[in-house]
Amino acid sequence: DTGVSQDPRHKITKRGQNVTFRCDPISEHNRLYWYRQTLGQGPEFLTYFQNEAQLEKSRLLSDRFSAERPKGSFSTLEIQRTEQGDSAMYLCASSGLGGRGRYRAETQYFGPGTRLLVL
Amino acid sequence: AQSVTQLDSHVSVSEGTPVLLRCNYSSSYSPSLFWYVQHPNKGLQLLLKYTSAATLVKGINGFEAEFKKSETSFHLTKPSAHMSDAAEYFCVVSDNAGKSTFGDGTTLTVKP
Repeated sequence: DTGVSQDPRHKITKRGQNVTFRCDPISEHNRLYWYRQTLGQGPEFLTYFQNEAQLEKSRLLSDRFSAERPKGSFSTLEIQRTEQGDSAMYLCASSGLGGRGRYRAETQYFGPGTRLLVL
Repeated sequence: AQSVTQLDSHVSVSEGTPVLLRCNYSSSYSPSLFWYVQHPNKGLQLLLKYTSAATLVKGINGFEAEFKKSETSFHLTKPSAHMSDAAEYFCVVSDNAGKSTFGDGTTLTVKP
């Protein structure tokens, strides 16, 4: 357990439905990242936040995707009008500038992921 | 721009023999480099991290990696494989903002 939690762990939905995932990062971490991992591939960067500001979005993040981190703590990733191609594992990671305890500085710690299946 | 190439998609070794997982990277600045391991149905776990302090980096579970700038490589090694090492391994390069680029992964199989 890295200290990063994601909810739900699994989601099955029908094409066209909206889904929302939540990520709770390590509490003292100011950076939060979202990645998508499809079968047989490494994770691909989607977007990241520093505190509540969304600083970068990948071209993979179409207009149907939106991410928020309203108070600089937890984050949500919403997919509207889901498509079968959205089926993947969605990973969240957090990092902090200062290392503390078992957490190393500027190192991303990953949550367990949310596995999405769009039927 | 940054990129990572994991040279082997599958590596198979016998238990007790050395492990070598190869990784080459491309980066326009001094990169941070990582190796992560992913066991089936488990999250990504950090094995080790290079941040320019020392070229030979020691990680958990007996793994090491050596940063070679001239070869733009960051290969992962372990002297003696254990059955529990069977997993997917990812080489990662990160920029100053922490945005990470992953390789496609190497599946390590350990035969008894």
